[in-house]
Amino acid sequence: DAGVIQSPRHEVTEMGQEVTLRCKPISGHDYLFWYRQTMMRGLELLIYFNNNVPIDDSGMPEDRFSAKMPNASFSTLKIQPSEPRDSAVYFCASRGRDTYNYGYTFGSGTRLTVV
Amino acid sequence: SQQGEEDPQALSIQEGENATMNCSYKTSINNLQWYRQNSGRGLVHLILIRSNEREKHSGRLRVTLDTSKKSSSLLITASRAADTASYFCATFGAQKLVFGQGTRLTINP
Repeated sequence: DAGVIQSPRHEVTEMGQEVTLRCKPISGHDYLFWYRQTMMRGLELLIYFNNNVPIDDSGMPEDRFSAKMPNASFSTLKIQPSEPRDSAVYFCASRGRDTYNYGYTFGSGTRLTVV
Repeated sequence: SQQGEEDPQALSIQEGENATMNCSYKTSINNLQWYRQNSGRGLVHLILIRSNEREKHSGRLRVTLDTSKKSSSLLITASRAADTASYFCATFGAQKLVFGQGTRLTINP
């Protein structure tokens, strides 16, 4: 397996524009997570899915943020409209059902810069 | 919100020395995990210790867990330059993995 794949690796956009981040989890993993990493706040869990269903979106900062998982192999995180304070590295991670023995697999992240 | 607090925030040692990082947390957990992040890269899972375990080894890594004190430590023995990275503890409970702020480890040749 190629691991968790995120695209794009880098995104620079102007304030007010729509941004879409993409993630392909590891095949067979039932859970998918979106995290955001900043210097000030560290790693924050934004939302997670189980079997393509959003379970907990309490970490989504505002209504400008939305996430979807239309099928088991694809998820998107959308920001509309984007603001400079959204600049961060966004990570997608996935894991299987066994939470007792295995950790998460993270993608390489998308570095978002909003100017 | 961070569950864990890591200590120290930064650590610089000579190659070959041992590195110890500590993590404290606040709520009950199912397991505690340690991750490594190289600069500009994603997080890599290193080791997981269950709440009913006290110590675990994996290669040059040794993790301890004290649930009564709500604390854990990660020991890297015989450090190498390639160990230079940020190390994060993460607590798993209530179906969520919550990360600490991390320790920045620098191994000097």
